[in-house]
Amino acid sequence: QKEVEQDPGPLSVPEGAIVSLNCTYSNSAFQYFMWYRQYSRKGPELLMYTYSSGNKEDGRFTAQVDKSSKYISLFIRDSQPSDSATYLCAILHSGGSNYKLTFGKGTLLTVNP
Amino acid sequence: EPEVTQTPSHQVTQMGQEVILRCVPISNHLYFYWYRQILGQKVEFLVSFYNNEISEKSEIFDDQFSVERPDGSNFTLKIRSTKLEDSAMYFCASVLAGEVGEQFFGPGTRLTVL
Repeated sequence: QKEVEQDPGPLSVPEGAIVSLNCTYSNSAFQYFMWYRQYSRKGPELLMYTYSSGNKEDGRFTAQVDKSSKYISLFIRDSQPSDSATYLCAILHSGGSNYKLTFGKGTLLTVNP
Repeated sequence: EPEVTQTPSHQVTQMGQEVILRCVPISNHLYFYWYRQILGQKVEFLVSFYNNEISEKSEIFDDQFSVERPDGSNFTLKIRSTKLEDSAMYFCASVLAGEVGEQFFGPGTRLTVL
């Protein structure tokens, strides 16, 4: 069973566009939903995370979780060329005495000037 | 700003050779991880480490893999006899105890097995 599914894209948008990135997950017990950004040849960098359902906003970024449909989204407003990267959704879940991440495949985003 | 560092950035080895990938986690962090990413595939969990022992390991982390924290700063991943399919980016990550959301990743080591 695939735990986290993410459309790999690629997604190409003009500067200033609103970007919507989406993932689905399989286990209704999951509670921590993460979005990482990964630039080429770099490690993943945590953008934001949400706990349980609802929205969380941080500047131009909004993370949304719909637990009824097991759907997580990241919205980027007023997208900039510097937002061009691979965006990874991930589930943080308990593995023994600590937590581990299960990632989606990542969506490659290009924002064109 | 504190960061996780990894060396080397790129390692090329022959099949069957042993490799050691090194990581220096953020200094006050207590939980350590290795993940890997085969080209074009997902970032996958390999192993977590806390209090000088493995907390959890994935199916990928077989007897060919081992981890060690030989001193107070380094965290290493050893692959005893590399296979072609071990070629991947290997990422180290660390977490401050209690910080559920904040796994900080290093820049990765690209391992190429020929």
